[in-house]
Amino acid sequence: GQQVMQIPQYQHVQEGEDFTTYCNSSTTLSNIQWYKQRPGGHPVFLIQLVKSGEVKKQKRLTFQFGEAKKNSSLHITATQTTDVGTYFCADDGSGNTGKLIFGQGTTLQVKP
Amino acid sequence: KAGVTQTPRYLIKTRGQQVTLSCSPISGHRSVSWYQQTPGQGLQFLFEYFSETQRNKGNFPGRFSGRQFSNSRSEMNVSTLELGDSALYLCASSPDRTPGTEAFFGQGTRLTVV
Repeated sequence: GQQVMQIPQYQHVQEGEDFTTYCNSSTTLSNIQWYKQRPGGHPVFLIQLVKSGEVKKQKRLTFQFGEAKKNSSLHITATQTTDVGTYFCADDGSGNTGKLIFGQGTTLQVKP
Repeated sequence: KAGVTQTPRYLIKTRGQQVTLSCSPISGHRSVSWYQQTPGQGLQFLFEYFSETQRNKGNFPGRFSGRQFSNSRSEMNVSTLELGDSALYLCASSPDRTPGTEAFFGQGTRLTVV
């Protein structure tokens, strides 16, 4: 079945450094959603990308969808301790059947 | 507006027992999905219900089942529990499931099988 790969699995950064997580698929992705899960918490929706080559920004977060719709990335500029958590990408490939296929997630640790 | 509510939050069961988890979606949401989260396998889709009908099912054994009631509340049941069923079970609700609809997750039920 379809798999969504996400790298790296873990990332430790110093506060103020940048961070990027990558999401890849061997098949074309439909819509990519990004979620953040704080330690001990539940996934919270960040954003959705739909169009090939789409770039969206939320303050220090930049989300990109690849031209071939087979990859996506999330970049955080100047990380803060509040950015700590696990970031997941998820393919909304099945459209109207409620199934999200999640990547394994990237856990971000930020040292103050 | 109240969020997605899952009960109980924590549960300890013995191998061979069965368990029922409950999920109350956000008011007005008709789609409820269930996910299993483990450190090794990540977030895996179990099934999704919309207007009391199961529309999609993940690759889990038949011991995992669910249902949805007319008020959109959903339950999932796991029978003959195994140690490997220990996980965080997350429920997510959406108004509907048109492509790109945001999923709102509950806090989850942490199930430990001993």
